Amino acid sequence: VQLVESGGGVVQPGRSLRLSCAASGFTFLNYGMHWVRQAPGKGLEWVALTWYDGSNPYYSDSVKGRFTISRDNSKNTLYLQMNSLRAEDSAVYFCARDSGGYNIHYNFDHWGQGTLVTVSS
Amino acid sequence: SYVLTQPPSVSVAPGQTARITCGGNDIGNNNVHWYQQKPGQAPVLVVYDVNDRPSGIPERFSGSSSGNTATLTISRVEGGDEADYSCQVFDGNSDLPIFGGGTKLTVL
Repeated sequence: VQLVESGGGVVQPGRSLRLSCAASGFTFLNYGMHWVRQAPGKGLEWVALTWYDGSNPYYSDSVKGRFTISRDNSKNTLYLQMNSLRAEDSAVYFCARDSGGYNIHYNFDHWGQGTLVTVSS
Repeated sequence: SYVLTQPPSVSVAPGQTARITCGGNDIGNNNVHWYQQKPGQAPVLVVYDVNDRPSGIPERFSGSSSGNTATLTISRVEGGDEADYSCQVFDGNSDLPIFGGGTKLTVL
């Protein structure tokens, strides 16, 4: 199993950024996927979830209405569109596979290495 | 909202047993998962559903949970176990996965 994030960088407050997570080594379309973030020196914070077929996207209150999770199962890729970015969104963003397959178990059995997003003017 | 409380740090000598706690209201009735994270690396699931281990995780890692406290126990601690450890549950009231703040394990 391999998960490789990309798309991070430095962005001004209020601007947008799209993260990608390329998956390999497993049947991507059989698994729910999550984004989890970690601000510098802080703990892990769950951000968003998509089911195996892209249905039922779900978000933390801190990003609801600003972030959109999506996936392209034909490309084995997970996305996170981040709009109206704020300084408090600065973090390493990890994509993570849900352990439950078709059913969401809300624990994360494989993680990517993360991509750093810095929101600063 | 549901809060998981972990001690900021735990220290243990090599060969001894480390116990890292995770406090939460009635956590004994929840499935608890534990992650190990070394500096600059991605988290690794070491215990899931209270006391199950993913393949490749040594038997030295075990978990328990009762009442308001869950515990990750690492037996015969090695230098390579030095890392941050975070607990995690699914909060059915908010429908959100919740993480504890993490505990830094130092091997003396």
